[in-house]
Amino acid sequence: QKEVEQDPGPLSVPEGAIVSLNCTYSNSAFQYFMWYRQYSRKGPELLMYTYSSGNKEDGRFTAQVDKSSKYISLFIRDSQPSDSATYLCAMSAAIQGAQKLVFGQGTRLTINP
Amino acid sequence: NAGVTQTPKFQVLKTGQSMTLQCAQDMNHEYMSWYRQDPGMGLRLIHYSVGAGITDQGEVPNGYNVSRSTTEDFPLRLLSAAPSQTSVYFCASRHRDSAYEQYFGPGTRLTVT
Repeated sequence: QKEVEQDPGPLSVPEGAIVSLNCTYSNSAFQYFMWYRQYSRKGPELLMYTYSSGNKEDGRFTAQVDKSSKYISLFIRDSQPSDSATYLCAMSAAIQGAQKLVFGQGTRLTINP
Repeated sequence: NAGVTQTPKFQVLKTGQSMTLQCAQDMNHEYMSWYRQDPGMGLRLIHYSVGAGITDQGEVPNGYNVSRSTTEDFPLRLLSAAPSQTSVYFCASRHRDSAYEQYFGPGTRLTVT
């Protein structure tokens, strides 16, 4: 079983829709939960992160973490064609004094005008 | 500030050939990593380094070598290329104490025939 599971999609929605992207994980030691965005033929870039449980909002993006269910989500409101990208969840934990980062498989998202 | 740079952007190799993928960063980051990204598999860690002179294996190290003689550079060597090594390779770096932000290079697309 992978430590982090993410539905690879692809996911295709019309412009203006609310998008929900999700990941599950198995390691309860994870404390930081991140979402990276990767445009086609580019490297991933950090979109937002959350420490421990709760919600975090940044403009049209909201990240949610439910540690009791080992489940994280990214919501995109009023989705735009420029949001079309692959979204990777990532998590980190302090293991033997070093931060271990683990990535999900990534979900390919297309927003249709 | 160039961030993380990788060369070449594209490469085609024949089975059995060797080559070195170059990676450099100008952010004085202690940690550097190499990932490969394949469809449906997400980012898989090949090798990583926590500082000059120190390297360790990741999830999929077979067929690859690394060395870290300076803080800035972290080359990845393919010893004898195989078609299974056809992939997109990303170099990444982060500060030792960063639990969530990792900076990625633009990637190298490698095809082995």
